[in-house]
Amino acid sequence: DQQVKQNSPSLSVQEGRISILNCDYTNSMFDYFLWFKKYPAEGPTFLISISSIKDKNEDGRFTVFLNKSAKHLSLHIVPSQPGDSAVYFCAASAQGGKLIFGQGTELSVKP
Amino acid sequence: NAGVTQTPKFRILKIGQSMTLQCTQDMNHNYMYWYRQDPGMGLKLIYYSVGAGITDKGEVPNGYNVSRSTTEDFPLRLELAAPSQTSVYFCASSANRGLTEAFFGQGTRLTVV
Repeated sequence: DQQVKQNSPSLSVQEGRISILNCDYTNSMFDYFLWFKKYPAEGPTFLISISSIKDKNEDGRFTVFLNKSAKHLSLHIVPSQPGDSAVYFCAASAQGGKLIFGQGTELSVKP
Repeated sequence: NAGVTQTPKFRILKIGQSMTLQCTQDMNHNYMYWYRQDPGMGLKLIYYSVGAGITDKGEVPNGYNVSRSTTEDFPLRLELAAPSQTSVYFCASSANRGLTEAFFGQGTRLTVV
């Protein structure tokens, strides 16, 4: 039972354009969501998070949107840069419990 | 550089062999975690610890054991390696429970043949 799903295994975007990475979840008890970024041969690094009491959180070029009724969140990167090329994981937790990760989306930003 | 150090980076095991994956952090974090990542899948939590002497099971603990005798070290033990344990293993430490301040190690790629 995949509670957190990233249905796009890969995404290719032109440099300077917007990248939109999507994540769906099934557990309505999830109240905290995170995005991690992972380069090859490295561990993941935390990127941005959002609590279920918000519908948007912004940090520089990165914005996460949460649609609770649709059980959907998305990460927007504007403008995209070649250094953003990586695998992006969304993750969710309920009431401070264990994080459940999605499968990841590999973003490729082309110059 | 400070952070989380995992050893080894790569290992090939035969079925039935045992090994310990080492994880050390020098940030005095209370929370430490072991995850595995299978191809095309997200990270799954194996075991975690909220402080020295305290460990608890995650989503996929079967076939593994851990100990936390010090704040710095959190080794993961595989007693009887099976092909299903072929995966990339990540250790992480965090100042908080939610992983927003987590540091991950570089990973250990384990193959069981």
